[in-house]
Amino acid sequence: NAGVTQTPKFQVLKTGQSMTLQCAQDMNHEYMSWYRQDPGMGLRLIHYSVGAGITDQGEVPNGYNVSRSTTEDFPLRLLSAAPSQTSVYFCASSHQRQQGGDQPQHFGDGTRLSIL
Amino acid sequence: ILNVEQSPQSLHVQEGDSTNFTCSFPSSNFYALHWYRWETAKSPEALFVMTLNGDEKKKGRISATLNTKEGYSYLYIKGSQPEDSATYLCAFPHTGGFKTIFGAGTRLFVKA
Repeated sequence: NAGVTQTPKFQVLKTGQSMTLQCAQDMNHEYMSWYRQDPGMGLRLIHYSVGAGITDQGEVPNGYNVSRSTTEDFPLRLLSAAPSQTSVYFCASSHQRQQGGDQPQHFGDGTRLSIL
Repeated sequence: ILNVEQSPQSLHVQEGDSTNFTCSFPSSNFYALHWYRWETAKSPEALFVMTLNGDEKKKGRISATLNTKEGYSYLYIKGSQPEDSATYLCAFPHTGGFKTIFGAGTRLFVKA
């Protein structure tokens, strides 16, 4: 009963490096999303997807790319890491098939990312 | 700009105390209001999803109410226990319900 799995759990990067944070869910959820958590702030939406092949921007998308080639996977790519992207990143998924927002999100355990 | 406010920011109570927190959200274009519980070193877990004005939800000693007309929700914990220590988040879906704004959370500390 894995739920939402994120890898890696921790990562240190140098400014300018690129990397991909992995997220996979085994609940056949249509909706997947990426958030970042910074001290004193709520979780902020980076990108989301409502199904394979469909992605859209959230509140803070700059510097990040996503793709959704399968229902299960939703990787987040940092194109050229900057110190401002030091954060804890959470992936989440839900059964949200259509307009309404009435499905709870299931979260992964997070990836703690430091950019030096 | 949409804003979700939670108060207080943190709360220290004694075991056995009852407590409550507030979540304020925009009162227009309402889809739902979510409450999550987030324990240290774990991931947020859904407590309640509330969709109708006047909704009341209950799970054990925890309950929540919703007022969509004035844009607030209360979370109540009756007889707090040390294991209730966590951050409680509220979340407001918008833009068709596909984007969600989270409050910064209320951090609850329950002392035995």
